[in-house]
Amino acid sequence: QQQVKQSPQSLIVQKGGISIINCAYENTAFDYFPWYQQFPGKGPALLIAIRPDVSEKKEGRFTISFNKSAKQFSLHIMDSQPGDSATYFCAATPGTGKLIFGQGTTLQVKP
Amino acid sequence: DGGITQSPKYLFRKEGQNVTLSCEQNLNHDAMYWYRQDPGQGLRLIYYSQIVNDFQKGDIAEGYSVSREKKESFPLTVTSAQKNPTAFYLCATRTSGRTGELFFGEGSRLTVL
Repeated sequence: QQQVKQSPQSLIVQKGGISIINCAYENTAFDYFPWYQQFPGKGPALLIAIRPDVSEKKEGRFTISFNKSAKQFSLHIMDSQPGDSATYFCAATPGTGKLIFGQGTTLQVKP
Repeated sequence: DGGITQSPKYLFRKEGQNVTLSCEQNLNHDAMYWYRQDPGQGLRLIYYSQIVNDFQKGDIAEGYSVSREKKESFPLTVTSAQKNPTAFYLCATRTSGRTGELFFGEGSRLTVL
């Protein structure tokens, strides 16, 4: 019940295309859902986050869609660029200070 | 510069040896975390500390130990009891509040020979 399941494990997208990464959770106590971006050899960094009282949040080319009834949320990267090539992690927390991460998605954007 | 410093960046160890990974922060954050990263398994929580002189086990604490004697420092010891210690280890701090942001260091890669 504490798990966050992320898919796909890897994704290849052409430059200019849309990248979509999906996550699902079971624990209804989760109330904060961030996405982290990690470049090779570096630590992850916060990309964008959402709370369950909204269905969508957009920051530039990055959008989180949230479906509370289905307990699913997804990251959409519009106009994907080679510089977006990285590993993306979804996460969730019930606000206890513990963040539960998904398994990660390695995105490759081809020029 | 404010940030999180992990050292060493790369570490090789023989089986049966303990090794300590350093994590120092100057962000003045109370909470600190250790995560382990393995391919296809995401980030798994080893230990975390919300305040000096207090820490809690995460999901995979067996074979690891920590201390939190100073706000700035949260070292992780990988003991010989850890069956599969080869991994990428990430230290993080968190801003205050229920949905505080995690800030990560650049990681330490441990290889057991």
